[in-house]
Formats: sequence, C-alpha cells, structure tokens
Amino acid sequence: HVQLQESGPGLVKPSETLSLTCSVSGGSISSYYWSWIRQTAGKGLEWVGRIYITENKGRTEYSPSLESRLAMSVDTSESQFSLSLRSVTAADTAVYYCAGSWSAYYPFDYWGQGIQVTVSS
Amino acid sequence: EIVMTQSPATLSVSPGERATLSCRASQSVSSNLAWYQQKPGQAPRLLIYGASTRATGIPARFSGSGSGTEFTLTISSLQSEDVAVYHCQQYYNWPSVIFGQGTKLEI
Repeated sequence: HVQLQESGPGLVKPSETLSLTCSVSGGSISSYYWSWIRQTAGKGLEWVGRIYITENKGRTEYSPSLESRLAMSVDTSESQFSLSLRSVTAADTAVYYCAGSWSAYYPFDYWGQGIQVTVSS
Repeated sequence: EIVMTQSPATLSVSPGERATLSCRASQSVSSNLAWYQQKPGQAPRLLIYGASTRATGIPARFSGSGSGTEFTLTISSLQSEDVAVYHCQQYYNWPSVIFGQGTKLEI
C-alpha cells in the first residue's frame, strides 16, 4: 500500500522560494506518476505539476499558469520527489498535497495528508 | 481550458435518503471523469473513476454515471460518515487536469 508524506516549511516569505518534499513508501517511486496539487478556499483544488521516471530519467509536466516559476525533481535513491516554486506571493498560500497515479491517464489514487504553506512576511 | 461546474454548491440530505450530485464539463471529456470525497482536515479520496467504476474499497452505495459533459454521483442511502465535500475531476486532456469547485454534502 503506497503512502505519501509531505515535508517542508510552513511559512515562506514573499519573493522567496517554496520548497517541499514528498516521501514515498510502500511502492516503487519509478512505477507511478507523481503530482503536486494545491488547495485554497477560493480556487479549490489546482493541479500544479507532475514528474515520472522514463528511461531512467525524471520527466516533468507543469501547469501552464505556474510553469515559469516551477521546478520538480525526483531522488530515486531516497524515494522522494520535490517541488520548488520561485518568487512566491500570497496567492501561493495553500495546502499542498503530493499525489500519485498508477498510470499516465488515470486520476489520483494515492494522496499525502497535505501541508499548509503560508506566504507572509 | 475545460471548465468543470458542480451543482449544487451545498446539499442537505437526511440520513437514509438519496443524494444526487452533478458535475458538468464545458466540453466533452468522454468518460474520463473521477469523483473524490474530502472529509474535514483530510486529503481527497478517490471514489469513482471512468465516470462509473468504484475505486478499491468504496461502498456500493456510491455510484457514478454519465459521459460526455454531464455526470452524476449518487449516494443511495446517506450515512453520517458521508458528510464531506465531493469534487469531480476531468482527466481527459492530461496533463491539464481540472477539478470542479466541489459540493458540500450535509446532513
């Protein structure tokens, strides 16, 4: 049974970089498609981006609205994947979830518990 | 971009009664539609995929129907533990998956 756990700072200053990590257990990180999804009261659930392993490399796909500020990476040795969002503003305040899909064209059947990230000085 | 519209925003149903939640897509998503249940303080949980297939471990009182642009989630006999927000999600055009705004189900 795959389990996910987010970690990272809960408070980030405006204009700085938000960095989160998701630890994967109970399954191979190379066998799934891993996404970050965020949730705000005003906009609901918003897909941020995903990463997956193909030909031994991490391949990424990002939301067009965040692509210019976003980077995702994967560390197979640690069974973790990460998110880095640059130049954050208050609009990036949200609960961030990591989630997994067993197939490229399938919804999210594994979710972390979520981590609240607040952007504030 | 496909827009997903859920209705109603809030639904109040008595225990044992049927609850019917709707989700409409601004263009066809075929059967690439999922429903999630989110209880307070928890992550969403996959209920239905392929518009009508229950995910593993989901009780039979949950059923999904529809295709194209109109979809329905039905809870046949509402239990107290079903109080939650229900989200629909289209995954027709990965990676641009879109969620609806959610329906809050109350007893």
